[in-house]
Amino acid sequence: QQQVKQSPQSLIVQKGGISIINCAYENTAFDYFPWYQQFPGKGPALLIAIRPDVSEKKEGRFTISFNKSAKQFSLHIMDSQPGDSATYFCAASMAGRRALTFGSGTRLQVQP
Amino acid sequence: GAVVSQHPSWVICKSGTSVKIECRSLDFQATTMFWYRQFPKQSLMLMATSNEGSKATYEQGVEKDKFLINHASLTLSTLTVTSAHPEDSSFYICSALPRTSGATDTQYFGPGTRLTVL
Repeated sequence: QQQVKQSPQSLIVQKGGISIINCAYENTAFDYFPWYQQFPGKGPALLIAIRPDVSEKKEGRFTISFNKSAKQFSLHIMDSQPGDSATYFCAASMAGRRALTFGSGTRLQVQP
Repeated sequence: GAVVSQHPSWVICKSGTSVKIECRSLDFQATTMFWYRQFPKQSLMLMATSNEGSKATYEQGVEKDKFLINHASLTLSTLTVTSAHPEDSSFYICSALPRTSGATDTQYFGPGTRLTVL
C-alpha cells in the first residue's frame, strides 16, 4: 500500500489557535515523513520532517507528532496566523524509492 | 540555498503542439529529480523519477511517449509534453534530491509550470 490518508480536508481556525492535521499510512517501509505548505500557484515548500525513530519534532510554531505503532503522524501549528492560510500536505517516502507519496491535502484558513 | 527553478512558469499552447518544461537546481547537484502533476485543488501525483544519465522511470498509467523526460546533467531535467491536448492542461511541478542528501532525504520543489492547452 502506497497510500497516505490525510484529514481533515479543510480546516478553519481562529488567529492564535492551534491547527491540527492528521495523516495515516499503511506501508511500514516508509521511513521519512515530511510536511509541505503550498500557496496557490506555487510549488510546495518543506515545513518540517520526521523519521520513525523520533516521536516528536518541533521547529518554531510547527510540531510533528509521530506514532509508529498506530502508523499515524500529525502536524500541529501553534499560534496560527492568517499568513499560515495555505494547503498543507503530508507525505512519505522510503529507502530505495525516494519519490514522495502525498496525502490529499488540507486547506487551512486562519481567520483574523 | 537549495533553490529549484522551472521555466516557463506558465505556457499556453495549441492542441497538437509540444511543450518543453525545464527544471534546474540552481545551487546544488541533483542525481535524482522527480516530476509531479497537480490538478486544481488536488494533491501531487508522481509522474516519473529522473536519474542523471539514465532513462526515467515512469509511474503506472503515465505514457512514456507522451511525457518525455531527459536528465542530461546534474542540474537540469526537462519534461516535454508531446502532441499536447486539453486534458494535459495541469500544473507540473519538479523536485530535486540533492546529491549529498544523505540522511535528510529532503526534496526541494520548483515553483511549478502552469500548462494550458487550447
